[in-house]
Parts: sequence; C-alpha cells; structure tokens
Amino acid sequence: DAGITQSPRHKVTETGTPVTLRCHQTENHRYMYWYRQDPGHGLRLIHYSYGVKDTDKGEVSDGYSVSRSKTEDFLLTLESATSSQTSVYFCAISESRVAGYTFGSGTRLTVV
Amino acid sequence: DQQVKQNSPSLSVQEGRISILNCDYTNSMFDYFLWYKKYPAEGPTFLISISSIKDKNEDGRFTVFLNKSAKHLSLHIVPSQPGDSAVYFCAASVGGAQKLVFGQGTRLTINP
Repeated sequence: DAGITQSPRHKVTETGTPVTLRCHQTENHRYMYWYRQDPGHGLRLIHYSYGVKDTDKGEVSDGYSVSRSKTEDFLLTLESATSSQTSVYFCAISESRVAGYTFGSGTRLTVV
Repeated sequence: DQQVKQNSPSLSVQEGRISILNCDYTNSMFDYFLWYKKYPAEGPTFLISISSIKDKNEDGRFTVFLNKSAKHLSLHIVPSQPGDSAVYFCAASVGGAQKLVFGQGTRLTINP
C-alpha cells in the first residue's frame, strides 16, 4: 500500500550485530505496529506505538527496541541479532478498529 | 498460550464452490474480529471485520459469522475464485490500542 513503506525489503546480517528496520507512513495515523511472521505462529506483535515517543511492548518484545520521534516513522532495532530473529517483519498502521490495519510489504531478515 | 487458533493449516476448494475458513478464540474479552488475506511476498490485506455485538457481516462474496457462545468465527467465500488462493488470517482485538492477536493462518487453494 502506497501509504506505508518498509525498508529494507531484504537483509542478511551476522549474529551479534545491531539491525534497524524502518517503517514510514504518509497517512498521519496515530497507531503503528511491528509484527513478525513465522511458520506455525501467524503474526506476533513485537512493539507498538500510540503516538510520538509513546510506545509499548507486545508479546515477543525481548531483544527488540523501538523508537518513534516523528508521527511518520517507526523504527525497530534488534540490539544484537540472533538466529531466532530470522523472520519476516511487518509494520502496520491503523486508523480505526473498523478499517483494520494497513500493512507494509514486509522485510525479510536473515541472521547468519 | 494461543488465544486465537486456526486449526486447519490448509484447505482446498473447487472453483465456484463455497470456501469456509474457521477460527476459534479463548479470550472472552475480545470485542472485534477481522480477517486478512495474504499473498506471497506481500503484506496482509484487510478483508472484513465484525463487532462482537453482531453475529454476521457481509461484503460481496465474503461473509463472516460470529458465534460468541462457542467462541468461534468463520469466513465464507461464495463463489470461490482462483484469485482467492492465499493465506487467510483471523485476528481479534480488545481495548483502545487496537492491538490485534492473529491466528496461525490457513492456506486456501482454489482448484479450477
């Protein structure tokens, strides 16, 4: 969807290195989310934000941190990447419960 | 603890027939339910939603049914088309932060 973009689309990194994924929106939505998708688990919430500098943890937040210094940008940082963090990461934005989320195209991260 | 479960990893349906995708949940506090569709290498896209105060919502070929007493919802697609082949996720939310809890997904294949 044109209103939300993720970068990079693909990344290979080494164990122990820090990695930052970026989510950018042009919709001015208040809520932003980071999910990871893994086989057998569906999508699991890592962190979310309900405004600039307002963030909270999801169900799988260990090893991840986030920052939101502007409405349009939500960054996800893997502080020290591990092989268990190999996954596809999706950012989402939300306008209302009725409309649901709009997801980005995803970032495929491989930790070797 | 999987609060939202899709017990069928895959489903195969003939073109033109009805596809029925099922989802069970355990948290009685969930008050909004949604279905998403996902194609490979893309983010999930919103299909249809239903509030817990309703038992049915219809949008074109897609109908979602909610049975609160059984904590069960289903998505009906009639008639099924080849473009419906995708992975379908059900999701549920509670509260103002609009956080969604997703099921594991069901891969739907429509056969000609």
